[in-house]
Amino acid sequence: GAGVSQSPSNKVTEKGKDVELRCDPISGHTALYWYRQRLGQGLEFLIYFQGNSAPDKSGLPSDRFSAERTGESVSTLTIQRTQQEDSAVYLCASSLGGATIYFGEGSWLTVV
Amino acid sequence: DAKTTQPTSMDCAEGRAANLPCNHSTISGNEYVYWYRQIHSQGPQYIIHGLKNNETNEMASLIITEDRKSSTLILPHATLRDTAVYYCIVRVARIGNDMRFGAGTRLTVKP
Repeated sequence: GAGVSQSPSNKVTEKGKDVELRCDPISGHTALYWYRQRLGQGLEFLIYFQGNSAPDKSGLPSDRFSAERTGESVSTLTIQRTQQEDSAVYLCASSLGGATIYFGEGSWLTVV
Repeated sequence: DAKTTQPTSMDCAEGRAANLPCNHSTISGNEYVYWYRQIHSQGPQYIIHGLKNNETNEMASLIITEDRKSSTLILPHATLRDTAVYYCIVRVARIGNDMRFGAGTRLTVKP
C-alpha cells in the first residue's frame, strides 16, 4: 500500500482480555517498529524488526507484550491480560533501514 | 544515539517563520539530525534530515551549525496547521538502528 496501515484504529477491551494489533508496513520496507504513546506523553519504543534478524525487544515493558512479523510483511503486536495502564495509542512505523521511518496512524487501545 | 535538548514549547504568529532550535552537543561524526512532527492524534511525520550541510525541502529548512552541536528547523511561513510537537533526533543512518523520540517542542501557531 501507499502507507503504513494499522488495524483496528480503535479498540475497547475489558481488563484481563488479550488484544492483537496489526501493522501492514509499506511494501518493500525491511524494518518495522512498534511504539506506544500514552495520552499526553512521548513515544516509547517497544520493538524493532529488521529483515530476518532477531528482533530488538528491549523496549517491551513486560512479558505480557509480544510481537511477531512474517518475513518482511505484516506484524502483530499482542498484549495478554490487558491492564488499564496499557491504554494508549500503539504506533507502527516502517523503513528501508537506516533511513527515514514512516508511521501509521496508530491503534487506539482503551482498557476498561 | 546522541541526546538532544529542545525547548518544551514555543509560539509563533501565523505567516511568520518558526525557528525551532535543537542542541546535540555530543553528536558523533556519523550521526544525522532528523526532524519529525506529530500533529494531535496522528502518527509522527518525517520532515527533513541532514548530516552537516544545510538542507531544504518543500516543508522546511534545516540549518546545522559548523560544529554540528546544534541545529534549527525553519518553517518559513507557519500556518495554523503547523501546530504540532516537533522532535529533533540524532541517529546513525545504518541498517539495524532504531530511533528514540524525546519530549520534543510543542509549537503553537497563533492567528
